[in-house]
Amino acid sequence: DQQVKQNSPSLSVQEGRISILNCDYTNSMFDYFLWYKKYPAEGPTFLISISSIKDKNEDGRFTVFLNKSAKHLSLHIVPSQPGDSAVYFCAATLSGNTGKLIFGQGTTLQVKP
Amino acid sequence: DVKVTQSSRYLVKRTGEKVFLECVQDMDHENMFWYRQDPGLGLRLIYFSYDVKMKEKGDIPEGYSVSREKKERFSLILESASTNQTSMYLCATIDTPSDTQYFGPGTRLTVL
Repeated sequence: DQQVKQNSPSLSVQEGRISILNCDYTNSMFDYFLWYKKYPAEGPTFLISISSIKDKNEDGRFTVFLNKSAKHLSLHIVPSQPGDSAVYFCAATLSGNTGKLIFGQGTTLQVKP
Repeated sequence: DVKVTQSSRYLVKRTGEKVFLECVQDMDHENMFWYRQDPGLGLRLIYFSYDVKMKEKGDIPEGYSVSREKKERFSLILESASTNQTSMYLCATIDTPSDTQYFGPGTRLTVL
């Protein structure tokens, strides 16, 4: 039972345009969500997070939106750059609960110059 | 900066061998995790530990065991490696106040 789903395995966008990566979850108890970025042969690096008490969090070119009623979150990257090409994982957790994260399957983003 | 190191970046082993993957963190974090990453499956939790000598099974513990003798070190053990354990193995620790996990660089294990 996949509690966190990223239904798009891949996404290709042109440099300078917006990239939108989507993530759905099934457990309404999740209260903290994170996005990680992973390059080949490297460990994932933390990108941005959002608490369930918010519906938006912004950090530079990266914005995460949370729609609790739809159990959906999205990561917007504006403007997209070739260096953003990587695999993006969303993750969900119950805050304060040992830190155990549930990850989605990942979406491979390719930003074309 | 949180630093998580893993003993090997690449490892090739034969079926039936016992394999040790080591992970060390330098931030005195209590919780540590072992995941494997496979294409199309994301990161799946194998085991985690929230204190020295404490361990809990994750979602896919079969075929694995762990050891946490010191706070900074968390080892993953494949008792008898099999080809379906060929994968990228990732260790992580967590900064509890922010609930953010920090990952090591990963070990690409190939079992022949």
